[in-house]
Amino acid sequence: NAGVTQTPKFQVLKTGQSMTLQCAQDMNHNSMYWYRQDPGMGLRLIYYSASEGTTDKGEVPNGYNVSRLNKREFSLRLESAAPSQTSVYFCASSDDPGTYGYEQYFGPGTRLTVT
Amino acid sequence: DQQVKQNSPSLSVQEGRISILNCDYTNSMFDYFLWYKKYPAEGPTFLISISSIKDKNEDGRFTVFLNKSAKHLSLHIVPSQPGDSAVYFCAASYNSGNTPLVFGKGTRLSVIA
Repeated sequence: NAGVTQTPKFQVLKTGQSMTLQCAQDMNHNSMYWYRQDPGMGLRLIYYSASEGTTDKGEVPNGYNVSRLNKREFSLRLESAAPSQTSVYFCASSDDPGTYGYEQYFGPGTRLTVT
Repeated sequence: DQQVKQNSPSLSVQEGRISILNCDYTNSMFDYFLWYKKYPAEGPTFLISISSIKDKNEDGRFTVFLNKSAKHLSLHIVPSQPGDSAVYFCAASYNSGNTPLVFGKGTRLSVIA
């Protein structure tokens, strides 16, 4: 099992360029998430998908779009990149919450720099 | 407004001693709490969790304590090892985990040999 995989690992964009971050999981999880991590800010939720075909905004969705392509894949798109989107992006997945919650499994991250 | 707060950005502990990482929360609806560990250039990994019906949960060297009245939880690592050096994130959820996690900003633990 590869767990959660993300591509690319690193990316440099110019302001205004677009790109899609890819995420896939092989654990048959229903829920998937996109976070960004900035220095001193912890992990902030961008978007999540509780099941195939549904997506919801998180804490910081502006400037991003997502697609839940199928149960395995959840992509994050930056239509017009801005320097404020320079960050490390993490994808995660989880099983359906049990009676007392759930744990999320994270990918290795994509380090994005926008110049 | 930060709902999950980790007020200590960093902590240094000697090998073999106890490490205590603290976390405070403001949302009284939170009923499920988790700790994640993160090494540089890797994704966070789940460490331990606790539901609000308990006040303590243990897993090997790691114990999480929950004080609901104070809205405070702590992670104890005993004994601390150099491999425990990492950033530790506290996270919370409510509705028995049916809502997305809210993370604190993290505490960097350094265990000195």
